[in-house]
Amino acid sequence: EAGVAQSPRYKIIEKRQSVAFWCNPISGHATLYWYQQILGQGPKLLIQFQNNGVVDDSQLPKDRFSAERLKGVDSTLKIQPAKLEDSAVYLCASSVQPGQINHNSPLHFGNGTRLTVT
Amino acid sequence: GQQVMQIPQYQHVQEGEDFTTYCNSSTTLSNIQWYKQRPGGHPVFLIQLVKSGEVKKQKRLTFQFGEAKKNSSLHITATQTTDVGTYFCAGRRRTALIFGKGTTLSVSS
Repeated sequence: EAGVAQSPRYKIIEKRQSVAFWCNPISGHATLYWYQQILGQGPKLLIQFQNNGVVDDSQLPKDRFSAERLKGVDSTLKIQPAKLEDSAVYLCASSVQPGQINHNSPLHFGNGTRLTVT
Repeated sequence: GQQVMQIPQYQHVQEGEDFTTYCNSSTTLSNIQWYKQRPGGHPVFLIQLVKSGEVKKQKRLTFQFGEAKKNSSLHITATQTTDVGTYFCAGRRRTALIFGKGTTLSVSS
């Protein structure tokens, strides 16, 4: 089974510029997540999609971050304008489904995009 | 909001020694998952615990879920250099998984 694909692998931009990341989840996975992982910390959920609908975007800085999953398959995450504190690895993950009340399907992560804002 | 705390943040052991990381939540968890992230890699799913007091084993790894479903632990017996990495617990908030900050394990041979 092919894994979660992300691109680009690395990106360096100057502050106030814009950047976009792309993610293609595992085929058949209905749920897609974007996480931000700052060096030395755990992944922080930015947004969660169920098919093409947003399930949770409570931690997404909506003044500068946006994400879409128009056809319910691949997704893009955009930052505009970028700030220095946005330097991090942006991880995309997918799972089969959010799960029943007491269960969660395991998350399958991509290799991430390492963003450096200078 | 729900928080998941992990201790210790770092742990260095000699190869062959045991290792334990602890995960505590401010609220009752419906389930908890554990992930391992190798240096430069991405988190990889290890296991999920659902039932109160549940204990699961994977070779040298033992996972426990507390009776009150507010804490969990991962114990590695006789560590090997291949165990190096950061171990994360993740608890559920509604349908989202909230990760702890992780425990980074280093092993010297």
